[in-house]
Amino acid sequence: GAVVSQHPSRVICKSGTSVKIECRSLDFQATTMFWYRQFPKKSLMLMATSNEGSKATYEQGVEKDKFLINHASLTLSTLTVTSAHPEDSSFYICSASPRGALGWETQYFGPGTRLLVL
Amino acid sequence: AQTVTQSQPEMSVQEAETVTLSCTYDTSESDYYLFWYKQPPSRQMILVIRQEAYKQQNATENRFSVNFQKAAKSFSLKISDSQLGDAAMYFCAYRSDRGSTLGRLYFGRGTQLTVWP
Repeated sequence: GAVVSQHPSRVICKSGTSVKIECRSLDFQATTMFWYRQFPKKSLMLMATSNEGSKATYEQGVEKDKFLINHASLTLSTLTVTSAHPEDSSFYICSASPRGALGWETQYFGPGTRLLVL
Repeated sequence: AQTVTQSQPEMSVQEAETVTLSCTYDTSESDYYLFWYKQPPSRQMILVIRQEAYKQQNATENRFSVNFQKAAKSFSLKISDSQLGDAAMYFCAYRSDRGSTLGRLYFGRGTQLTVWP
């Protein structure tokens, strides 16, 4: 089956630093990738949708200057949390939609990245 | 925007018994897709089962089946012969394939399922 990886799986950083999270589709090309944020025991909150070669579409309330998303290739999207603060601590999940996916085909999810900002 | 409602924050079931998780949704579209995902403690999202709205027949995957009632906008998940490994958070999700929301998933708040030995 389709595999999506995320790196790093967990990261601890100091307040004010920037953190980059990578999302890769390992065995398929993904024209669209999605970034979610999840708080403990809560649902997934969509942050943004990124399409290869174009600017990401951010959900209402998500700061585009703080959460920079780049989808430079059909297999890689990155989320950079700039000037991270403790309130940015969370679990970040990416998912990828295969190129040419049929309507019923679901997204494939990465294993998530746990970010802790001290 | 589409909304997905899971009215049961927590459910529990005895091992080998059957449990049903509820999900309702609100949409004005006629063509869409519905999914149930499982998120175990590892937090990896795992697809459990999916249903195309144009299909009247309920989807089944081994011990997992759905009761899809399109008119009522209801999509419940039945887990038969529950196993300890079924313990997880379960999310109901709606997928639109039209317009600006193409491909995105709308998730419910989740139901935490506990399986007792």
